[in-house]
Amino acid sequence: DQQVKQNSPSLSVQEGRISILNCDYTNSMFDYFLWYKKYPAEGPTFLISISSIKDKNEDGRFTVFLNKSAKHLSLHIVPSQPGDSAVYFCAASARLAGGFKTIFGAGTRLFVKA
Amino acid sequence: DADVTQTPRNRITKTGKRIMLECSQTKGHDRMYWYRQDPGLGLRLIYYSFDVKDINKGEISDGYSVSRQAQAKFSLSLESAIPNQTALYFCATSRGYEQYFGPGTRLTVT
Repeated sequence: DQQVKQNSPSLSVQEGRISILNCDYTNSMFDYFLWYKKYPAEGPTFLISISSIKDKNEDGRFTVFLNKSAKHLSLHIVPSQPGDSAVYFCAASARLAGGFKTIFGAGTRLFVKA
Repeated sequence: DADVTQTPRNRITKTGKRIMLECSQTKGHDRMYWYRQDPGLGLRLIYYSFDVKDINKGEISDGYSVSRQAQAKFSLSLESAIPNQTALYFCATSRGYEQYFGPGTRLTVT
């Protein structure tokens, strides 16, 4: 049972346009959500996050939106650049005794065409 | 120098062999994790450790074991490798919610 779902395996966008990556989760215990970016032959790197008490977080060209009632979050990239071409993982975290447990989605491969 | 290092970066082994993947970190984090990545399945948690004396199973621990030798070192072992353990393996560390990943080990079991 996938607790974090990214239903689009890939997305293709023209340079300069908006990229919207979507993620759905099922467990109400998650209290923090993150997006990671992964280039080939590298490990994932943290991109942006949002706490469950917020509905929006913005960092430069990247904005994450959280809709708790729908258990849905999205990552907007505006404007998209060719260097944004990568795999994007959505992740949801819950606090445990001693730390945090994080569940990752399957990833969405973004292609930004020049 | 990289904060999270993994050795080896690539490994080909035969079915039935025991293999160890090693992870070291210089970030001073107590929490460490092992994940595997498979196409279409994303990152799945194998084991995690919140401090040196703490080891916990993740979603897919069967066929794997771990050792936390020190705060900075967390090793993953495949006791008897099988072909469906062919995957990309990542080690990660964290202090808070954000995790820091190593570059990965590509393991092929023939």
